[in-house]
Amino acid sequence: QKEVEQDPGPLSVPEGAIVSLNCTYSNSAFQYFMWYRQYSRKGPELLMYTYSSGNKEDGRFTAQVDKSSKYISLFIRDSQPSDSATYLCATIQGAQKLVFGQGTRLTINP
Amino acid sequence: GAVVSQHPSRVICKSGTSVKIECRSLDFQATTMFWYRQFPKQSLMLMATSNEGSKATYEQGVEKDKFLINHASLTLSTLTVTSAHPEDSSFYICSARTSRISTDTQYFGPGTRLTVL
Repeated sequence: QKEVEQDPGPLSVPEGAIVSLNCTYSNSAFQYFMWYRQYSRKGPELLMYTYSSGNKEDGRFTAQVDKSSKYISLFIRDSQPSDSATYLCATIQGAQKLVFGQGTRLTINP
Repeated sequence: GAVVSQHPSRVICKSGTSVKIECRSLDFQATTMFWYRQFPKQSLMLMATSNEGSKATYEQGVEKDKFLINHASLTLSTLTVTSAHPEDSSFYICSARTSRISTDTQYFGPGTRLTVL
């Protein structure tokens, strides 16, 4: 079983829609969860960072962690074509290792 | 924000040659740098972690004699792919962190696409 699982998509939605991206993880010891956005042929950039359970909001983006079900989500409101990218969830394993999900390729259609 | 650069952005080489990729933190000192590999439509896989002035720590299954990592200064790490073969073709991405604290943000470079003919 992979430590972090993510549906690779692709996911295509119309502009303005609410997007829901999800990951599951296997180890209940994981505490820190991140969402990265990666444009084609570029390195990932950090979008959101959460600790333990709960919600965190930043503009149009909301990150949610449910530790009871080992489920993490990223919601994008009022999606824009510029949001089209691959979104990767990640967690920290051990002392410093980032473990990534496979990434979900998202396309927002104008 | 923190900027990490990589050079070159793309490289094509013949099988058997060695390729060096540079990773620089432009506006901060990187105590720890990481090297990842990403195959098409797959996630990033950590190859190795290097702390400035120390030997790199390689992940299981990554050959340290094939992927030489040097982190000689607080702003520069290099990855040398020795005797490259077509199966080494991939997208190599570095990241840098200002401390050894695991929860501190890693800033990623733009990646280097390596194609081995």
